[in-house]
Amino acid sequence: GENVEQHPSTLSVQEGDSAVIKCTYSDSASNYFPWYKQELGKGPQLIIDIRSNVGEKKDQRIAVTLNKTAKHFSLHITETQPEDSAVYFCAASKGGSYIPTFGRGTSLIVHP
Amino acid sequence: GAVVSQHPSRVICKSGTSVKIECRSLDFQATTMFWYRQFPKQSLMLMATSNEGSKATYEQGVEKDKFLINHASLTLSTLTVTSAHPEDSSFYICSAREGTSGTSYEQYFGPGTRLTVT
Repeated sequence: GENVEQHPSTLSVQEGDSAVIKCTYSDSASNYFPWYKQELGKGPQLIIDIRSNVGEKKDQRIAVTLNKTAKHFSLHITETQPEDSAVYFCAASKGGSYIPTFGRGTSLIVHP
Repeated sequence: GAVVSQHPSRVICKSGTSVKIECRSLDFQATTMFWYRQFPKQSLMLMATSNEGSKATYEQGVEKDKFLINHASLTLSTLTVTSAHPEDSSFYICSAREGTSGTSYEQYFGPGTRLTVT
């Protein structure tokens, strides 16, 4: 089955800095890669996703890149703000069921 | 759009009793709903997948007689934890997907339910 590795487990940055979270996946058939933000005591919220026919996608301060050959994808957050502090999960899924396999999460802390 | 609600948000019950958690898609029809369990500082563990009008598919190691899932309509799925024990205490999260798996990828998550069994 699919295996998703996520690094780092904790990321601490100063407000205004950029943050990068990286994930690798094992199943070359995976073709949909969502990213979720989970605040304490709440459910995950989809923040951005990318499909395998695209190499990069941006939405304001967040962007996701995908390298299919290397089987890794990354989340980039620029100009971080304290409200970006949360746990971020990457996931990978493939056609048919599109049931995602999640990474273990990255706790992002943005210091004001 | 794409709002999923859960009720209750928190529940405390005594050991041996049953608890029902509701998951509703508020502004779309959810052909497929998923139930997850999350332990503190850990990732989401998929418990089961349910399609409207059919039996749920449980992941390996999840007791289907203990965690009863019903997806009777396109906007409502329920998870009943039967004969709850303290080890069932956890954060339970549902998610919903619109359309068939061939036409929709995105999952939208509910806010979660904190279950504490005393």
